[in-house]
Amino acid sequence: DAKTTQPTSMDCAEGRAANLPCNHSTISGNEYVYWYRQIHSQGPQYIIHGLKNNETNEMASLIITEDRKSSTLILPHATLRDTAVYYCIVSVLRGSARQLTFGSGTQLTVLP
Amino acid sequence: GAVVSQHPSWVICKSGTSVKIECRSLDFQATTMFWYRQFPKQSLMLMATSNEGSKATYEQGVEKDKFLINHASLTLSTLTVTSAHPEDSSFYICSAVKSSTDTQYFGPGTRLTVL
Repeated sequence: DAKTTQPTSMDCAEGRAANLPCNHSTISGNEYVYWYRQIHSQGPQYIIHGLKNNETNEMASLIITEDRKSSTLILPHATLRDTAVYYCIVSVLRGSARQLTFGSGTQLTVLP
Repeated sequence: GAVVSQHPSWVICKSGTSVKIECRSLDFQATTMFWYRQFPKQSLMLMATSNEGSKATYEQGVEKDKFLINHASLTLSTLTVTSAHPEDSSFYICSAVKSSTDTQYFGPGTRLTVL
């Protein structure tokens, strides 16, 4: 599986956009980029995923570079409740389902 | 929606006893579910893949006879920690794959404490 590299921690002011980067330089053609977040002592929450096109949903936007070696998760208007560990994961299809390998993630702290 | 529940949310047991954790997909069917374990200040580690109607696939280093997995239906998978020891104390999290979106949705987790 392609490995990902994320900053250990980031701060963001409440109401501003939070841009979380992720490097996945060894990603291969059939591997998707998934983003999840985990608030302390809870299960991970799905945010968004994509293959090569940029994606947007009600939670966030995902920008994937043309060479697919990196991506950025954008939370357009961060709130205090967005404080969490954010995981960027490159998944590969194994059998009938995509496996996720969690790294260390980025601790995002939204400051008032 | 894609809601996954786990029961119990927390459990305390004595060393040597067995504990069963249930994982249910509430509003979708899941052929595949996963079980993870998370120790304090660490990331999630995949333990096993649970497939409905077939045997689970365990990750390297995970004892299949200690962590029994049964995927009884398309909405239920169970993890039984047998002969639990204090080192099995951890946060156990399941996920269920919603095939229409090819996405894993996670349960809220179960905190196991073995005394």
